[in-house]
Amino acid sequence: KAGVTQTPRYLIKTRGQQVTLSCSPISGHRSVSWYQQTPGQGLQFLFEYFSETQRNKGNFPGRFSGRQFSNSRSEMNVSTLELGDSALYLCASSLGLAGERYTQYFGPGTRLTVL
Amino acid sequence: TQLLEQSPQFLSIQEGENLTVYCNSSSVFSSLQWYRQEPGEGPVLLVTVVTGGEVKKLKRLTFQFGDARKDSSLHITAAQPGDTGLYLCAANFGNEKLTFGTGTRLTIIP
Repeated sequence: KAGVTQTPRYLIKTRGQQVTLSCSPISGHRSVSWYQQTPGQGLQFLFEYFSETQRNKGNFPGRFSGRQFSNSRSEMNVSTLELGDSALYLCASSLGLAGERYTQYFGPGTRLTVL
Repeated sequence: TQLLEQSPQFLSIQEGENLTVYCNSSSVFSSLQWYRQEPGEGPVLLVTVVTGGEVKKLKRLTFQFGDARKDSSLHITAAQPGDTGLYLCAANFGNEKLTFGTGTRLTIIP
């Protein structure tokens, strides 16, 4: 069974631009969660989608948004990029909601650099 | 805001030695997971503990969930270079989200 895939793996943008990251979950998984990982703040929860609905949201500004499609694939968008948005963005998929103790399987991440 | 503190932040030891890393919170959590992350990859789940006082073993790794459900530890026996990585604990505080700890970066020197 194929794992979680994320595209692109690396991305360089400049301040003010916007970016869209993509995540394809494991086949059959209906939940997709997004996390931001930085050396200073560690791994922080962005949001979780289940059956195309946002079920949980972390403490990030409205510049961070996401969506999930009917095939469970998910995208996240960051608008008006800031230098502090440079991070590894991780996607994780699971059969059910992460809060209900379903195992999350992480992708390799997208490394975003904002110049 | 629930916080998970991990200690130590960095640990570098010789191959064959034993080590323990800790995960602590001021709030009670309903379950706790331990992950290992290697460079260029996402975290991989090692274990989930749900019962206070629970001990789980995974080969040379022993995981313990504190009786008060506010802390957990990971003990590695006879560390090997393949154990090198970032160890993360993640807790469920009953709010449908996973909160990750600050991480322990472990380096095993051959």
